[in-house]
Order: sequence, then structure tokens, then C-alpha cells
Amino acid sequence: NAGVMQNPRHLVRRRGQEARLRCSPMKGHSHVYWYRQLPEEGLKFMVYLQKENIIDESGMPKERFSAEFPKEGPSILRIQQVVRGDSAAYFCASSPRDPGTFTEAFFGQGTRLTVV
Amino acid sequence: EDKVVQSPLSLVVHEGDTVTLNCSYEVTNFRSLLWYKQEKKAPTFLFMLTSSGIEKKSGRLSSILDKKELFSILNITATQTGDSAVYLCAGYNTNAGKSTFGDGTTLTVKP
Repeated sequence: NAGVMQNPRHLVRRRGQEARLRCSPMKGHSHVYWYRQLPEEGLKFMVYLQKENIIDESGMPKERFSAEFPKEGPSILRIQQVVRGDSAAYFCASSPRDPGTFTEAFFGQGTRLTVV
Repeated sequence: EDKVVQSPLSLVVHEGDTVTLNCSYEVTNFRSLLWYKQEKKAPTFLFMLTSSGIEKKSGRLSSILDKKELFSILNITATQTGDSAVYLCAGYNTNAGKSTFGDGTTLTVKP
């Protein structure tokens, strides 16, 4: 678990500002997943990325949200013009999955976003 | 759309009790069922189940998968206050390469 690094751990933004969440996967992992967890709810899938590619963004709202995983550097989840409903914990997970092979994803500690 | 349902949503027991947490799933291209424990921070991995009928054990925790009936159970024997947490299960869709999580079972173990 300690290997997946997310920052910041806590982020406070005013309505209308941009929030930028970072995730550095475990060493050797090239697959990154972002999940959102609202209070009293489970983890909801948002987006699945490999280096420089978005594989599946079916869980991500069409507007204001975007994600990237560049060749160099961490994966970024960006939320533009935040609203109160965006307040949640955002978790990143990584895995070394190769096609046809699966291991459990390792989660970061999460970023708790509060929109005031 | 893949779906995972956990029950009960919450459970309160006393130390020493045995609990059974349920997870049913409808996941296309199903590959694995995963259990995680979450204590106000990142989920920590407990079990990955891929085959029916084979029980996995780790100390007082055990889990089994039924791929015919599409469910899994997580058992915790001789519960302790440290077992208090949200227990999440997830079904992994191998074609999509992602997991769908249930809403979790909140377990509270009272001394």
C-alpha cells in the first residue's frame, strides 16, 4: 500500500476553483485506476489509464473532469470549476497487470477533497 | 453494467462473535472476486478468489467463492475491536481491466 503515493492528502477548494490530484503508482506498475468514494458509499470507478492512454473513462463525469497519465510523472486527476458535490475521497490504485494476468490493485492513501 | 451488492450494510457485534459478510456480483467477463478492509484510509487487500469452493484463510478471516450462484462470503471468527472497519468486495472484469466495488459492510465490534 505504501508504494502508491497520492498527494495532497487533503485539499480544500472554493467553488469554481480547479482541483488537481496526483498519483504516483508503485514502481513497475503501468496501470492506474481512479476511484471516488462519497461518504457512506463504496468506491466508484472513474477512469482506467495506462501510460499515455485512457483505457476506460466510463465512470468519469463528462464535464469538468479529466485524467492523464503521461510518459513521465504521476497520473493527474483534474476537476475544473469544482462544486460542493465534488467533495469526496479520491483514491488511486495501481497494478502491474499484463493482458491475461491479474493481481490485486494496490491503493494509495487517497486525497480528501473538500469544496467550500 | 457490472454490479456488486454487499449485505448487510452494517453490523454491530460483540467481541468474540463470529460474523459472515455477503457479496453477490453480476460482472461480465468475471475473473476474480476481491475483498478489502478499509479503516478510514486506503483499502487494504484481504483476499483474491478466482475458483469456486476453495476457501482462503488468513488468521481469523476466511473467504469462499461460489461462481455458480455468483456470491462470496467473508467470515471473521472470534471478532476483536480491531476488526471494526468497512469491508469492501469487488468483482474484476478481465476484459475491461477494472474492478466494480460494492458499497461495503460497516462492521462495528464492541468490547
